[in-house]
Amino acid sequence: AQTVTQSQPEMSVQEAETVTLSCTYDTSENNYYLFWYKQPPSRQMILVIRQEAYKQQNATENRFSVNFQKAAKSFSLKISDSQLGDTAMYFCAFMKHGHAGGTSYGKLTFGQGTILTVHP
Amino acid sequence: NAGVTQTPKFQVLKTGQSMTLQCAQDMNHEYMSWYRQDPGMGLRLIHYSVGAGITDQGEVPNGYNVSRSTTEDFPLRLLSAAPSQTSVYFCASSYEVNTEAFFGQGTRLTVV
Repeated sequence: AQTVTQSQPEMSVQEAETVTLSCTYDTSENNYYLFWYKQPPSRQMILVIRQEAYKQQNATENRFSVNFQKAAKSFSLKISDSQLGDTAMYFCAFMKHGHAGGTSYGKLTFGQGTILTVHP
Repeated sequence: NAGVTQTPKFQVLKTGQSMTLQCAQDMNHEYMSWYRQDPGMGLRLIHYSVGAGITDQGEVPNGYNVSRSTTEDFPLRLLSAAPSQTSVYFCASSYEVNTEAFFGQGTRLTVV
């Protein structure tokens, strides 16, 4: 079974500054996917970024980037130029590689979440 | 674009009552799932479906039933609600087995 750990229950950052959210995971799988989801006060789950384990290059999406360390099983999220709209709960999630055509399914395993507050 | 639609958004039940949380998606996704979100525990998988007529249990299935008669709909049934089922419930769908999930807006359920 996979586990995902987010050791920072809460973080805060000043607007325009950079913040890094930590995530570690435990798995015996070699093929998998990692995600960061954002949950603002509206409760909607929004995909921020995705990383395939077979790719060595770290994923980036505008102000969001990850530091993926496969050997260390670490997957941190860096938010640059923080904005007030980034205030939200952030979840790290793991998905084992699944196989189409059968009953296999890419189930998501989530961490506990980190509440990020961006201050003006 | 409706995406994944969950109803109701809020619900209060008495212990022992039954109800169905509705989930519908209009993206022709094969994969659908239900998660519950509890403080300090993230989201945990309850049940999932890889297509119409096929369902299976996730991490926390006890007390919940599902069925998948159509590609679009994946209702979650609570047969006899218990206070331990107080939670926020999310339905999600994805179009392929190794792609990200799209989530509904959640249902906050309180069992008193």
